[in-house]
Amino acid sequence: KAGVTQTPRYLIKTRGQQVTLSCSPISGHRSVSWYQQTPGQGLQFLFEYFSETQRNKGNFPGRFSGRQFSNSRSEMNVSTLELGDSALYLCASSLYHETSGRRYNEQFFGPGTRLTVL
Amino acid sequence: GDSVTQMEGPVTLSEEAFLTINCTYTATGYPSLFWYVQYPGEGLQLLLKATKADDKGSNKGFEATYRKETTSFHLEKGSVQVSDSAVYFCALSGSASKIIFGSGTRLSIRP
Repeated sequence: KAGVTQTPRYLIKTRGQQVTLSCSPISGHRSVSWYQQTPGQGLQFLFEYFSETQRNKGNFPGRFSGRQFSNSRSEMNVSTLELGDSALYLCASSLYHETSGRRYNEQFFGPGTRLTVL
Repeated sequence: GDSVTQMEGPVTLSEEAFLTINCTYTATGYPSLFWYVQYPGEGLQLLLKATKADDKGSNKGFEATYRKETTSFHLEKGSVQVSDSAVYFCALSGSASKIIFGSGTRLSIRP
């Protein structure tokens, strides 16, 4: 099975621009979560999607948004970029237990997209 | 809220040394606990996990035991190799379903 893929792997933008990152989960995985990793703040949860609906949200400003498509692929968007948005953005996918409505605890991570804001 | 505290790095050891990376957590209920590893330039890989008290997760010579009485999940390996050099993250998944990570511990192994 192919792993989680993220595109692009590297991105350079300038302040004020907006950016869209893409994530394709492992085949059969319907839950996708996004994390931001920075040296200062570590790994922080952004949001989680399942069935095209946001199920959980971290403590980030509204400039950070996401969506999920019917094929479970997900995108996240950051508008009006700031220097502090420079980070590694990680996507993780997991199975979802249909009966209980809960995500399986094990998440599989992609290699990340490294965003640099100049 | 839920939180994870792990020992600060960097940790530098010689090859074949014994490794312990401490991890403690705060959570309501009964979280699942994980250790993830991140090699340079890569995403996170699940190293091992434990889903209930007294469970021992193990993989590639690494072990960690879910200790509810001490709210700990320390990572151990009896004999480290240069290839174990990486950043290790302790994490929990609690009632809110999202994963909470510790700050990470950078491990460097000298040949």
